[in-house]
Amino acid sequence: GAGVSQSPSNKVTEKGKDVELRCDPISGHTALYWYRQSLGQGLEFLIYFQGNSAPDKSGLPSDRFSAERTGGSVSTLTIQRTQQEDSAVYLCASSLALRGGYTFGSGTRLTVV
Amino acid sequence: RKEVEQDPGPFNVPEGATVAFNCTYSNSASQSFFWYRQDCRKEPKLLMSVYSSGNEDGRFTAQLNRASQYISLLIRDSKLSDSATYLCVVNRPSGTYKYIFGTGTRLKVLA
Repeated sequence: GAGVSQSPSNKVTEKGKDVELRCDPISGHTALYWYRQSLGQGLEFLIYFQGNSAPDKSGLPSDRFSAERTGGSVSTLTIQRTQQEDSAVYLCASSLALRGGYTFGSGTRLTVV
Repeated sequence: RKEVEQDPGPFNVPEGATVAFNCTYSNSASQSFFWYRQDCRKEPKLLMSVYSSGNEDGRFTAQLNRASQYISLLIRDSKLSDSATYLCVVNRPSGTYKYIFGTGTRLKVLA
């Protein structure tokens, strides 16, 4: 596609439920990143995928968080047993080259009530 | 010391002014540097890369000072539309291309 597409754009969920966030990167981009941004805060790195290499999961805050990237394209971020502190905007970004700047999607605003 | 550090601001400047932001980074082995712009409740957008030799794009100039481990962004002839938060981005080296974002510097250009 023309840009990085994320869905849903907004998600309200009850505490304890599981949620799945989707990211469709720019076609051909080999690197894909997930960040989250809490209100008024900076971007927190979560995970990144590069081609067929093992993902760097070092930023995932707990074992409730997991992510997959199927076929080197679409990625899903899953949060199990959501907590209120998980409320944030989850941003996905992709890039063509490891050292290049990357393009962000418009994010998924997650609210856990 | 934080990996990437920025003055949060806000920097309030009149239209037409020149304003500069600095961003310091802690890891001397970092190799890739960028400035992003983020408007309120929007995703960050790449503003410019920062090269060793410095680079200029219209009213915007970015520079890298490796000795003192900081990058800078200079905006000349500020416009109202420049009001945004400017994020400094640095890669965490040692075999990974994890990019670390600063918390941003907020700029308000006043009429």
